[in-house]
Amino acid sequence: AQSVTQPDIHITVSEGASLELRCNYSYGATPYLFWYVQSPGQGLQLLLKYFSGDTLVQGIKGFEAEFKRSQSSFNLRKPSVHWSDAAEYFCAVGPTGTASKLTFGTGTRLQVTL
Amino acid sequence: DTAVSQTPKYLVTQMGNDKSIKCEQNLGHDTMYWYKQDSKKFLKIMFSYNNKELIINETVPNRFSPKSPDKAHLNLHINSLELGDSAVYFCASSRAGGSAGELFFGEGSRLTVL
Repeated sequence: AQSVTQPDIHITVSEGASLELRCNYSYGATPYLFWYVQSPGQGLQLLLKYFSGDTLVQGIKGFEAEFKRSQSSFNLRKPSVHWSDAAEYFCAVGPTGTASKLTFGTGTRLQVTL
Repeated sequence: DTAVSQTPKYLVTQMGNDKSIKCEQNLGHDTMYWYKQDSKKFLKIMFSYNNKELIINETVPNRFSPKSPDKAHLNLHINSLELGDSAVYFCASSRAGGSAGELFFGEGSRLTVL
């Protein structure tokens, strides 16, 4: 069965500092990986996705993620965090080519201090 | 112009009542979903419809009944509400079969059962 682990429930960073959010997955075949962001009171918005090709993917809002098959990881990074990045971040995994069977992680809450 | 819209945004009701949540998407997508997010932010798929046809029905009590009058609408009716039904319910849509992998979420409907 597929699963996603986000080991950090809550992370606090200073504005301007770099950020890395961890995501580990378990999946029997080539995974389709996503990062979504949920701002307070809002639905989830796709930041980026990976299903093949270059293992470093760029997303919106200056985020990037790197797929490491050997480590079963898909960590999200941003070089310089802005206060508006404070939100809940969800990693998800699913079968290649479909969103119908996505499994979401439990999320990491990012707090940004000024 | 909201892509995926849900109404109502908030619902407060007593145990045993029946309630409905409506969802509409104007993206021209063929596939729509209902997700439940519990108090710990865990996001779990409940139902998926492709072009008005039910394709995913996870282990959800029979008290939950989705209805898709057309491919732009997916409503959720809940009978005999229980305390454990309190959650945020998200509607989402994607292209046919989620082939692009991206889910577009509504802003959520927070249901509180007293």
